[in-house]
Amino acid sequence: QSALTQPPSASGSPGQSVTISCTGTSSDVGSYEYVSWYQQHPGKAPKLMIYEVTKRPSGVPDRFSGSKSGNTASLTVSGLQAEDEADYYCSSYAGSNNFVVFGGGTKLTVL
Amino acid sequence: EVQLVESGGTLVQPGGSLRLSCAASGFSFSNYWMHWVRQAPGKGLVWVSRINTDGSSTSYADSVKGRFTISRDNAKDTLYLRMNSLRAEDTAVYYCASESLEGATIDYWGQGTLVTVSS
Repeated sequence: QSALTQPPSASGSPGQSVTISCTGTSSDVGSYEYVSWYQQHPGKAPKLMIYEVTKRPSGVPDRFSGSKSGNTASLTVSGLQAEDEADYYCSSYAGSNNFVVFGGGTKLTVL
Repeated sequence: EVQLVESGGTLVQPGGSLRLSCAASGFSFSNYWMHWVRQAPGKGLVWVSRINTDGSSTSYADSVKGRFTISRDNAKDTLYLRMNSLRAEDTAVYYCASESLEGATIDYWGQGTLVTVSS
């Protein structure tokens, strides 16, 4: 199972919005409404930011939003803040055998 | 508060074996499917294995199938990963993680334990 495709880097200035894409196939992103996004700061564990394409866990700011069209999912971070600087990983359910496939990660830099 | 605390990571020689543990607290461990996910140094996340609530059903990534065994002890609220025939490419931080009750989403993660395979 190939990893989902994410851009290696993204950036924006404080207060701006940035969107990170995540491209899969008809076997994963395109077939299921189970796309998640994780935030990972250096040396820390991943933190769930978005699940089931658009849902936010309790405590995650509404500046974070998700969407999906066809085989591509997207994470948008609005009103960028310094603490948003981190690596972001997408994932998709990929069936009962492989369960989940992750993207390669995108390093978000707040300029 | 959900807590997942991994242990057991260390330096091991190629071909060696290791058992990782993950102590769970703050939730009803026996009701949740559990996972292991790994991250090689400077690389991305890779799903490793999954186990159902009573341990009767497991699945593995192709890269570890036949070498790794996931198990759990619900009486001890602990998840395990037995790793045999270790290779250099197994070097990674191994995270224990829980799956949401709704399914198909890995939600809570431990802090990880580092396994280094090197001679």
